[in-house]
Amino acid sequence: AAGVIQSPRHLIKEKRETATLKCYPIPRHDTVYWYQQGPGQDPQFLISFYEKMQSDKGSIPDRFSAQQFSDYHSELNMSSLELGDSALYFCASSSRDRGKTETQYFGPGTRLLVL
Amino acid sequence: AQTVTQSQPEMSVQEAETVTLSCTYDTSENNYYLFWYKQPPSRQMILVIRQEAYKQQNATENRFSVNFQKAAKSFSLKISDSQLGDTAMYFCAIGAGSYQLTFGKGTKLSVIP
Repeated sequence: AAGVIQSPRHLIKEKRETATLKCYPIPRHDTVYWYQQGPGQDPQFLISFYEKMQSDKGSIPDRFSAQQFSDYHSELNMSSLELGDSALYFCASSSRDRGKTETQYFGPGTRLLVL
Repeated sequence: AQTVTQSQPEMSVQEAETVTLSCTYDTSENNYYLFWYKQPPSRQMILVIRQEAYKQQNATENRFSVNFQKAAKSFSLKISDSQLGDTAMYFCAIGAGSYQLTFGKGTKLSVIP
């Protein structure tokens, strides 16, 4: 079965640089979520999109922005990177059918290291 | 807002034995889902099992089963016939209202040969 695809899998950036993370959801899934997992931490919700519109917003810094495109893929744009942004970034997708919480399936994550 | 508490930071079990991981949660929502995710050393997040709050029957998935006590807001995971491949961090999570998942801090499970 098709899974969530994330690219790149690894990314190394310098402080103050910009990074773009991409996510391709499972086919026919209409909702995309972004999570950040720091070392030794649990995943923290950043932002989600349903049918290309922002749905919920969590602890996402103002330096970050995201969008979902017409083909349902999503991009997380991170600017003015800081050392503390080094983390594993997950994208998850689900089908928000019947208007209730459905299972979120996670991609393999993008490991971002800021030097 | 939802909260999830996993009170066991680390646990170990002998291969082929049974282990139970604890999870308690809090939410004011009536309609919610509970999940257990597994994160092996590769750090992939893998769904283990899910439970709809409106269902009284406990979910099972092969060697994995849950004990869902709605009144007590408890959602424990039982792993039977533990295998070396079960070694991982296990996260309990709740999805309610706004659809985002709230995770517990995780329990690191080691299966000893």
